[in-house]
Amino acid sequence: AQSVSQHNHHVILSEAASLELGCNYSYGGTVNLFWYVQYPGQHLQLLLKYFSGDPLVKGIKGFEAEFIKSKFSFNLRKPSVQWSDTAEYFCAVNIPGYSTLTFGKGTMLLVSP
Amino acid sequence: GAGVSQSPSNKVTEKGKDVELRCDPISGHTALYWYRQSLGQGLEFLIYFQGNSAPDKSGLPSDRFSAERTGGSVSTLTIQRTQQEDSAVYLCASSLSLNTIYFGEGSWLTVV
Repeated sequence: AQSVSQHNHHVILSEAASLELGCNYSYGGTVNLFWYVQYPGQHLQLLLKYFSGDPLVKGIKGFEAEFIKSKFSFNLRKPSVQWSDTAEYFCAVNIPGYSTLTFGKGTMLLVSP
Repeated sequence: GAGVSQSPSNKVTEKGKDVELRCDPISGHTALYWYRQSLGQGLEFLIYFQGNSAPDKSGLPSDRFSAERTGGSVSTLTIQRTQQEDSAVYLCASSLSLNTIYFGEGSWLTVV
């Protein structure tokens, strides 16, 4: 069974700091990769996704993620965070041909103004 | 509706009682998913529907859990003889493809 690891359960940053959230997965074959975000009191929504092509993926709100196949990683980055980025972030993996996502345990990001 | 709708949004039930959670997916979405979100545990897959059939129900934690989908639309997740460890947020999601899965706001279940 595949697994997804998010190394940091809680991250606290000041506004304008740079962000990098780690995500590693265990499956050795081809994967589809996702980052979802859950703002306080809201539903999960898609930030960005990688299926194929350029391993550097740009998403909404200035977020980007880089797929490094050799490291089984898909880390999320943002050069300068804002208070409104306070949320829980989930990495997810799909194996092509299967219709479900496997999620990591999430990283709670708190940005102080 | 515009998004995935779930009801009830909050449910408090006594241990041993049965509960039903409802999901109304986005119109036309053929795929429907149930996940469970527990504190510190992330999202745990429960069951996946394609149309009215469930090709993957591998995540249902016990035979107390069941789900059905009728008319290719509304789905109901039923938990029989609830236990305290069933307390969690139950999330429903729907999609046309894996490109974008839309989540509902969840049903928060508390078993006392």
